[in-house]
Amino acid sequence: QVQLQESGPGLVKPSGTLSLTCAVSGDSIRSNKWWSWVRQPPGKGLEWIGEIDYSGSTSYNPSLKSRVTISVDTSKNQFSLKVSSVTAADTAVYYCAREKPYSNPFYMDVWGKGTTVTVSS
Amino acid sequence: QSVLTQPPSVSGAPGQRVTISCTGSSSNIGAGYHVHWYQQLPGAAPKLLIYGNNNRPSGVPDRFSGSKSGTSASLAITGLQAEDEANYYCQSYDTSLSGSVLFGEGTKLTVL
Repeated sequence: QVQLQESGPGLVKPSGTLSLTCAVSGDSIRSNKWWSWVRQPPGKGLEWIGEIDYSGSTSYNPSLKSRVTISVDTSKNQFSLKVSSVTAADTAVYYCAREKPYSNPFYMDVWGKGTTVTVSS
Repeated sequence: QSVLTQPPSVSGAPGQRVTISCTGSSSNIGAGYHVHWYQQLPGAAPKLLIYGNNNRPSGVPDRFSGSKSGTSASLAITGLQAEDEANYYCQSYDTSLSGSVLFGEGTKLTVL
């Protein structure tokens, strides 16, 4: 059974950097899949942040690209998200998800439970 | 602001059929990109409901079905049940603005 678990600070100061990690169990991050981050501001819809494969190839949401970095650590079977220069608008529940290769776009078949990040001083 | 438009809300009585639309354009759904659907129960993570326009993952009841035509897609739910009350999101890909995966705005389904 594949499981994804997000972890990281729940509170980040404005202008700081948000850092989260997603630990993958039950599947190898080296497998033929991609791994993504999605966020959901309070009371709002889903926003795709970006994705990465085991080799480190990435794709980002153009609206966030200048502030986002997604990386992978194959030795720990996990991947990570960094968002710099955060503001209150980055307050959200952050989900990590597994993407199954399919005709564009890939679909997200396994999701973490999500972690709440609040940007506040 | 998403370029995939969904109705903010739909409703139906138990046992009825409802549909949720996802309207795009020639740079996303109309360009041939697939549409996937997710169900998000209150307080929970999204769950894959339909992939590749009309395919159900294992474990998803056949009461749920998807379709796509032109620049739009639809999710149909038959035999509505109380546990279907949730938010539903479509997902596709858009080639404008350097290209990106995107989600629809979401639709709240209320079972009356």
